[in-house]
Order: sequence, then C-alpha cells, then structure tokens
Amino acid sequence: NAGVTQTPKFRVLKTGQSMTLLCAQDMNHEYMYWYRQDPGMGLRLIHYSVGEGTTAKGEVPDGYNVSRLKKQNFLLGLESAAPSQTSVYFCASGRTGMSQETQYFGPGTRLLVL
Amino acid sequence: AQSVTQLGSHVSVSEGALVLLRCNYSSSVPPYLFWYVQYPNQGLQLLLKYTTGATLVKGINGFEAEFKKSETSFHLTKPSAHMSDAAEYFCAVSGSSASKIIFGSGTRLSIRP
Repeated sequence: NAGVTQTPKFRVLKTGQSMTLLCAQDMNHEYMYWYRQDPGMGLRLIHYSVGEGTTAKGEVPDGYNVSRLKKQNFLLGLESAAPSQTSVYFCASGRTGMSQETQYFGPGTRLLVL
Repeated sequence: AQSVTQLGSHVSVSEGALVLLRCNYSSSVPPYLFWYVQYPNQGLQLLLKYTTGATLVKGINGFEAEFKKSETSFHLTKPSAHMSDAAEYFCAVSGSSASKIIFGSGTRLSIRP
C-alpha cells in the first residue's frame, strides 16, 4: 500500500516551459488536492477534486490547470512556467472530503523555475 | 472566514525539555483543529486532531493538544523532547466548508543535544 505518490520528485524548468505533475493514490479516496508550500506561508490550496471527472479552484489557482480522468490520479499542469511558481508542491487525498477528515499527503515535488 | 496563526516560526528546545508550539485560530463556526508534522523531505502526516468531545487530544509520539474555546487556542505540547521530534509542525483549521482546510505558516522545531 503505497498511499499517495508523486512524480517527479524534483524538476528544473525554464520560464515559459510546461510540465505536468502526477499524483497517484491507492486508497480509493474520492477527494484529491494540490497544494503549494512556500516559506513562511504554510500550504495553500491550488485546485481540488471531489471525484473522477470533477475539479474545482482553490485559493491560488492562477497559472495552473488540473485533470482527474481516473479516480486514482490527479494531474497538475503548468502551461507556461514562471519564477513565481518555484515552490514545493504537495498532493493529498481524503476519503469523503468532510471538514474533520484527515488528509493524506504525498512526499512532494520540488519545482525550480529559472 | 477562518484563519490560523502560529506564534514563532522557529522554536528550539533542549532534549528532554518541554515542547510548546502555539496556535491560535479564528472561526465563525465550531472549528475542527489539526496538527500535522512534516519531517525533512517528507509530506505532512497527521499528529492529532480535535473534532468534538474531549478538549484534550492525544496524538502520536507523545504529543497532545488542548482546545480552549475561550482563548481560541490549540497549543501543541510534549513533556519531554526527543531528537527525533525535529520537524516542521503545522496547525490547521476547518469547519465552514467541506474540502477546505486552512494551514498555518508552520513552526520549525529544533532539538538541542
């Protein structure tokens, strides 16, 4: 049982390049989330999904797109990377999305945009 | 609207000393409160959470936290610090909307030998 996994672990991009971050979970959770973590700012929600085929915007969605074609996978895309998107990205999942529910996090992807 | 304030971005204690990490929250509805821990180069994992009922919540690795509504606080404590406790700790609040949890800015805990 791998839990939540993320690919890649680390990536360097040039400004304007595109990339996709992959998140996979094997816990059959309905809800999945993408966060970014920046120094002194904690975690901020980018986008989330309440089930296969559905996505919704979080707190900081600009510059990102997401897709949830399969229940176990949640993809985060950067169409034209900017230095402001240098961050650590975390994927998380939850069974029901209820407010009191524990979220399960992946190990993170470190992204550096030059 | 909900918010979380963690007092102190960095706390350093000696091994064996009391650990106290402070968290204050703001919420217009009854809150659910969480502490997550992030070890170096890892994702976050749940340490403990308060939903309803007993206000003193015990978590993993000897940590506990007390929900004090009158003080809008949810401070994290451990009686005796261990070197393995060195990590970043995040307080979080939810309650007004499903799927939304608000994280504090984090407190990095260092343990001195």
